[in-house]
Amino acid sequence: NAGVTQTPKFQVLKTGQSMTLQCAQDMNHEYMSWYRQDPGMGLRLIHYSVGAGITDQGEVPNGYNVSRSTTEDFPLRLLSAAPSQTSVYFCASSSGTGGYNEQFFGPGTRLTVL
Amino acid sequence: DAKTTQPTSMDCAEGRAANLPCNHSTISGNEYVYWYRQIHSQGPQYIIHGLKNNETNEMASLIITEDRKSSTLILPHATLRDTAVYYCIAYYYNTDKLIFGTGTRLQVFP
Repeated sequence: NAGVTQTPKFQVLKTGQSMTLQCAQDMNHEYMSWYRQDPGMGLRLIHYSVGAGITDQGEVPNGYNVSRSTTEDFPLRLLSAAPSQTSVYFCASSSGTGGYNEQFFGPGTRLTVL
Repeated sequence: DAKTTQPTSMDCAEGRAANLPCNHSTISGNEYVYWYRQIHSQGPQYIIHGLKNNETNEMASLIITEDRKSSTLILPHATLRDTAVYYCIAYYYNTDKLIFGTGTRLQVFP
């Protein structure tokens, strides 16, 4: 199993550009989530999904969109990037619905917005 | 919502037990306590979780006070590879959210 994979590993955007961060898991997990981590800070929950077709907001959802069309994939879209979105983004997945079970994290995407 | 508070940083000598405290005085009856750690800039790694009873696995032990207002993560024989940021998290059962705090930076020294 590859576990949770994220692409790209690094990305530089200009203010106003859009992009999609990819996240995929091959463990047939129902629950997937996106976090951001600013320098020296803990992780903050952006959006999460308890199954295909179901998504909900976390602590800091503004400026981000998500969709969950398959169990395997959970992309995060930045519609109009801002410097405040410079951060490291982690995707995670867990079995069952909800975050009750152990979450497996991907290696992260390091995003810089100029 | 239950919040957790942890010391910002701690040191531990290699081979000794590392005891990481966490305060969660407002935790409710159906909120679990989770511990994760993050080594350098990698994705967080699950360690252990519990509700009321003490728990032990191959990585660590979790001691939860009887009133559930605080807990302690114990790494019985810390190694240099245990140097990481350790997060104590209250899982909000009704909201399906796992909310991280700022964690404790544990430095294990030779």
